[in-house]
Amino acid sequence: SQQGEEDPQALSIQEGENATMNCSYKTSINNLQWYRQNSGRGLVHLILIRSNEREKHSGRLRVTLDTSKKSSSLLITASRAADTASYFCATDELSSGSARQLTFGSGTQLTVLP
Amino acid sequence: DTGVSQNPRHKITKRGQNVTFRCDPISEHNRLYWYRQTLGQGPEFLTYFQNEAQLEKSRLLSDRFSAERPKGSFSTLEIQRTEQGDSAMYLCASSLEWRVGNTIYFGEGSWLTVV
Repeated sequence: SQQGEEDPQALSIQEGENATMNCSYKTSINNLQWYRQNSGRGLVHLILIRSNEREKHSGRLRVTLDTSKKSSSLLITASRAADTASYFCATDELSSGSARQLTFGSGTQLTVLP
Repeated sequence: DTGVSQNPRHKITKRGQNVTFRCDPISEHNRLYWYRQTLGQGPEFLTYFQNEAQLEKSRLLSDRFSAERPKGSFSTLEIQRTEQGDSAMYLCASSLEWRVGNTIYFGEGSWLTVV
């Protein structure tokens, strides 16, 4: 079953604008990870944020985590056409004991128009 | 290339046939995972291995599915008597021993179309 829900399901912006995607989840987590998937390809790991962290940066990416609200956001600044892809959040749940798996949301399809 | 490698990348098969996918994880990774992804959805967990031991299987993994990792290195996922509902992308991933900060790395996936 899918743990996370991404919002919005689809997002279309102009090149140079910022893109914000949100993820909500249901259970307590060890960490939350964001992945990118180009059409028909595998998943590329973007960033991991641990449950005791509130914000993390990596290049043009900024991730926030609010464990009290069970939500996370991914901000991509100064977007480029090459950022066009689906973005998924994935949670590593505390209830899984040794964290045997990731549980994914259904993704946000980002389109960056040139 | 030292990433996760999957073969074949695409497979078209007739309903009722058996198919097998192979995954070669990143060499030092002792954990290996299989996920399935259908169009418009996120990946769903199927099973995972710690070295050669299969430690968890999802209820999605019916009796027609079997996964092996005989020497704790590469893994195979076999689907017997394929059905049209098996059409999906099968993703393999690997990671080091679990730590809070360990990343799971995915391969490019194997597309299965059952006609």
